[in-house]
Amino acid sequence: KAGVTQTPRYLIKTRGQQVTLSCSPISGHRSVSWYQQTPGQGLQFLFEYFSETQRNKGNFPGRFSGRQFSNSRSEMNVSTLELGDSALYLCASRADLTGFAATNEKLFFGSGTQLSVL
Amino acid sequence: GQQLNQSPQSMFIQEGEDVSMNCTSSSIFNTWLWYKQDPGEGPVLLIALYKAGELTSNGRLTAQFGITRKDSFLNISASIPSDVGIYFCAGQTSGNTPLVFGKGTRLSVIA
Repeated sequence: KAGVTQTPRYLIKTRGQQVTLSCSPISGHRSVSWYQQTPGQGLQFLFEYFSETQRNKGNFPGRFSGRQFSNSRSEMNVSTLELGDSALYLCASRADLTGFAATNEKLFFGSGTQLSVL
Repeated sequence: GQQLNQSPQSMFIQEGEDVSMNCTSSSIFNTWLWYKQDPGEGPVLLIALYKAGELTSNGRLTAQFGITRKDSFLNISASIPSDVGIYFCAGQTSGNTPLVFGKGTRLSVIA
């Protein structure tokens, strides 16, 4: 079974641009979460999608948005990029077959997209 | 918001030594997890703990869910070079809430 796939692996943008990152979850997984990882702050939760709906949202500005498609694939978008948005963006998926998100469902991470804003 | 304090931030140890790291919180969590991240990769789950006082092993790794539900510990015995990486603790309140991560412990093993 293929793991969580994120594209692209690396991205360089300039301030003010916008960017879209893509995530394909493990086949059969219905929940997708996004995290931002920086050396200073560790992993910070961005949002979680389930069944094409945002189920949870972290404390990030509105420039950060996401969506989920009917095949569970997800994209996140960052508009008006700032230097501080430079980070590793990680996507994670879990099965969540019932929609009730059992606590013992493991979260599987992709390798991330390394975004550099110049 | 909820925060996890993970310590130490970094460790340099000799191959064969045992390692201990811990994670504390001001909030109660009902699930504690430990992840390892290798360079250029995403975190991989090592151990999951679901009950206060629970002690769980995975090979040379042993983790404990603190009795107060506000802390957790990870021990690695007889470290080897492939143990190098960043270890993260994470807490979860319920299945529908996101994971809260510590800032990680960077482990270096000197052969």
